[in-house]
Amino acid sequence: DTGVSQDPRHKITKRGQNVTFRCDPISEHNRLYWYRQTLGQGPEFLTYFQNEAQLEKSRLLSDRFSAERPKGSFSTLEIQRTEQGDSAMYLCASSPTTGEVYNEQFFGPGTRLTVL
Amino acid sequence: AQTVTQSQPEMSVQEAETVTLSCTYDTSESDYYLFWYKQPPSRQMILVIRQEAYKQQNATENRFSVNFQKAAKSFSLKISDSQLGDAAMYFCAPNFGNEKLTFGTGTRLTIIP
Repeated sequence: DTGVSQDPRHKITKRGQNVTFRCDPISEHNRLYWYRQTLGQGPEFLTYFQNEAQLEKSRLLSDRFSAERPKGSFSTLEIQRTEQGDSAMYLCASSPTTGEVYNEQFFGPGTRLTVL
Repeated sequence: AQTVTQSQPEMSVQEAETVTLSCTYDTSESDYYLFWYKQPPSRQMILVIRQEAYKQQNATENRFSVNFQKAAKSFSLKISDSQLGDAAMYFCAPNFGNEKLTFGTGTRLTIIP
């Protein structure tokens, strides 16, 4: 297993367009998280899944944002009608719920979104 | 509200010396986990060290150790024998028992050769 992967690594889009990002977690991890990181700041929590169930959503996740994890494996994060304020790094992380590294979150490389 | 404060936006240390990064937080929870993450320039976030709040013994991982003061809600990171590869943004990120990480604003660490 090579860790958490995210695709694409970079995305440039025009304001008003829709974008979708994908995250593939570490295979045995049943929790998956999305965070958003703007320049010079720490990541902010957006949402998380346990298996296929979305258990919590931040108030940062407006109606234009939707996340899915249909089979409890990979996850997608879609942003509709993008705005310039959506420009950020979108980070995905996964964690196990048992074992020695219980509760540790392993991060992917992120998807950098630029909205023109 | 649960908050995390890293009061040092930037720190620098001479190679081979020791540096301490500070973190304070506020929570009403008694059972939680604390993490330090490292984010090198243009590279992904990696875990440096973790501490369970119920453990009195401070965690250590090779050159990295923490000073955890539960009553003071303080969780500092000490890096001994600093190396060039330690240059990065360091984030204090507690998990206050609600599964998500709450990140501080980070400390940018520069290593001076």
